[in-house]
Amino acid sequence: EVQLVESGGGWVQPGGSLRLSCAASGFTFNNYAMTWVRQVPGKGLEWIASISDNGATTWYTDSVKGRFTISRDNSNNSLNLQMNSLGVDDTAIYFCAKVAEVVVVTWATDFWGQGTLVTVS
Amino acid sequence: PVLIQSPSASASLGASVNLTCSLSGEHSGYAVAWHQQRPPKAPRYLVKIDGDGGHTLGDGIPDRFSGSSSGAERFLTISRLQSEDEADYYCQTWGRGIVFGGGTKLSVL
Repeated sequence: EVQLVESGGGWVQPGGSLRLSCAASGFTFNNYAMTWVRQVPGKGLEWIASISDNGATTWYTDSVKGRFTISRDNSNNSLNLQMNSLGVDDTAIYFCAKVAEVVVVTWATDFWGQGTLVTVS
Repeated sequence: PVLIQSPSASASLGASVNLTCSLSGEHSGYAVAWHQQRPPKAPRYLVKIDGDGGHTLGDGIPDRFSGSSSGAERFLTISRLQSEDEADYYCQTWGRGIVFGGGTKLSVL
């Protein structure tokens, strides 16, 4: 059974930093690209960052470029998101998600974690 | 690409409903994935719909859910509506990064 469990959320002051982690199990982690998506409570889904299966390539939405860093540790089946220079607009629930395809074509995400809340105030 | 969804939809218990996701014109051939979210839970992947209309259900998703395509529109059809289908539905594709539609809130009457 695929499981994705996020951790590391919490409260932080503006300008602060936080590191989120996502522990993956139930699939061959190093075969799949991974993604972070966030959601302001009551609002829609917003893609944040993605990383290739081997970690060599990363992609970011413009609003977090230069502040957030996505990384992965394939030896420990974990995905990370280092968030620096946090602002109130970064307050959201952060989800990690697994990309469905081994050979990525559509970037559809087929499994999601339960999310971790980040509050910046 | 930009994905356009109606903000809300409603249908009766036991009926069928089509939710629409419209791709911006130049991206009309893109595949789209649909996700269901019952707040405050995490999204759940339902189905991927290719540009040619082929669709692939996610693991454990009942066959009451199906997908289809027409031009730049990707449809999620839910048959035999149940109360548990009342949720937010998001479509997703990829361009310069992953793109989500604004979501459709489905009410089951």
